[in-house]
Amino acid sequence: AQKITQTQPGMFVQEKEAVTLDCTYDTSDPSYGLFWYKQPSSGEMIFLIYQGSYDQQNATEGRYSLNFQKARKSANLVISASQLGDSAMYFCAMREAYNTDKLIFGTGTRLQVFP
Amino acid sequence: DTGVSQDPRHKITKRGQNVTFRCDPISEHNRLYWYRQTLGQGPEFLTYFQNEAQLEKSRLLSDRFSAERPKGSFSTLEIQRTEQGDSAMYLCASSLAPTGNMNTEAFFGQGTRLTVV
Repeated sequence: AQKITQTQPGMFVQEKEAVTLDCTYDTSDPSYGLFWYKQPSSGEMIFLIYQGSYDQQNATEGRYSLNFQKARKSANLVISASQLGDSAMYFCAMREAYNTDKLIFGTGTRLQVFP
Repeated sequence: DTGVSQDPRHKITKRGQNVTFRCDPISEHNRLYWYRQTLGQGPEFLTYFQNEAQLEKSRLLSDRFSAERPKGSFSTLEIQRTEQGDSAMYLCASSLAPTGNMNTEAFFGQGTRLTVV
């Protein structure tokens, strides 16, 4: 069965520093997609970054980058130059290609950025 | 159209009552999803539609739950005879069906928070 594991319930980082949020996944399908979403206290899930299983390079979107290590089945999110507005819950999610369209989410990591 | 909208944002109901939530997706999106999120957990998939067809339902979707998307645009999620365990955030998302490219992210609404007392 597919599974996403986020082992960090909470993380603290000082403003302007970089932080890494961990995510490991389990799937038997060779084709899949990995996503990171941010959920502020308002409740909506905000898409941050995507990595396909066949992508040769790590995905980057502004201050967000994804450290994709396929052999280790990990897809860690790196946030550079943290801002106070980055304080939120962060969820890693996976979608398997061609089998189903649903997203499977981890339990999330609460990130708190302090001045 | 600025995004996925859900109504109401909050709902408090007594146990045993029926409730209905509405989701309006991004207008050109043909796929619509419902998820449920309980406290301290990530969202869990409930069901999804492509246009008006309901293509997949989770085993979490008991017979008290029903979802519709009658004209392939907005969707409703109804819970009959609510129980305290139904208290959760109900999230709706929409996307375009991929055409050979998996990079089609889902856009989420702000959710409906249900409290059953």
